[in-house]
Amino acid sequence: DTAVSQTPKYLVTQMGNDKSIKCEQNLGHDTMYWYKQDSKKFLKIMFSYNNKELIINETVPNRFSPKSPDKAHLNLHINSLELGDSAVYFCASSPLTSPARETQYFGPGTRLLVL
Amino acid sequence: AQKVTQAQTEISVVEKEDVTLDCVYETRDTTYYLFWYKQPPSGELVFLIRRNSFDEQNEISGRYSWNFQKSTSSFNFTITASQVVDSAVYFCALSEAYSGAGSYQLTFGKGTKLSVIP
Repeated sequence: DTAVSQTPKYLVTQMGNDKSIKCEQNLGHDTMYWYKQDSKKFLKIMFSYNNKELIINETVPNRFSPKSPDKAHLNLHINSLELGDSAVYFCASSPLTSPARETQYFGPGTRLLVL
Repeated sequence: AQKVTQAQTEISVVEKEDVTLDCVYETRDTTYYLFWYKQPPSGELVFLIRRNSFDEQNEISGRYSWNFQKSTSSFNFTITASQVVDSAVYFCALSEAYSGAGSYQLTFGKGTKLSVIP
């Protein structure tokens, strides 16, 4: 009964390719996120999204785009992959309830290696 | 802008020792939320605790305890009688003002790698 799942777990690809990472949550949450963890373990927000609004971190290149077919899914599409895109990408979700109860739950991560 | 500092990059302790992981934060908001997450060697991020800025009560959960002090902007995490299974990277995180899209985006510290030696 995985709450937040991501596929694939590992992704190895060549520079210049286009790839997608899928994320699904079965928690009934309204908001989903993508975070990037670099080689030094630093975690940084990339996107926040619900079915009405997308918030993009200003440092994210426009080669990255989130796509949401429905409320339970937020996929990450990456165009023209670069070496610097190699990282672990985490999906997360949280309920749109009162902020006092706002907690994000993370998927297992996708390790992307660009050669 | 909000900021989270975890000054301890790596800590090693011998099993059964107590260990405290430090977290200092900066924010201009009066209402904010603090978190600790654990990332074991397997790589997933596990939620441990959430603390709201208006609730300064300390919390204990088994061998884990958290000390929240607004006066020093700190939210420290103590593991009592550490075990090998506690070996992981621990992240402190902060969310403050509403970020839009129904979200309160997390700002993470750089993490503290804890190694518990048998």
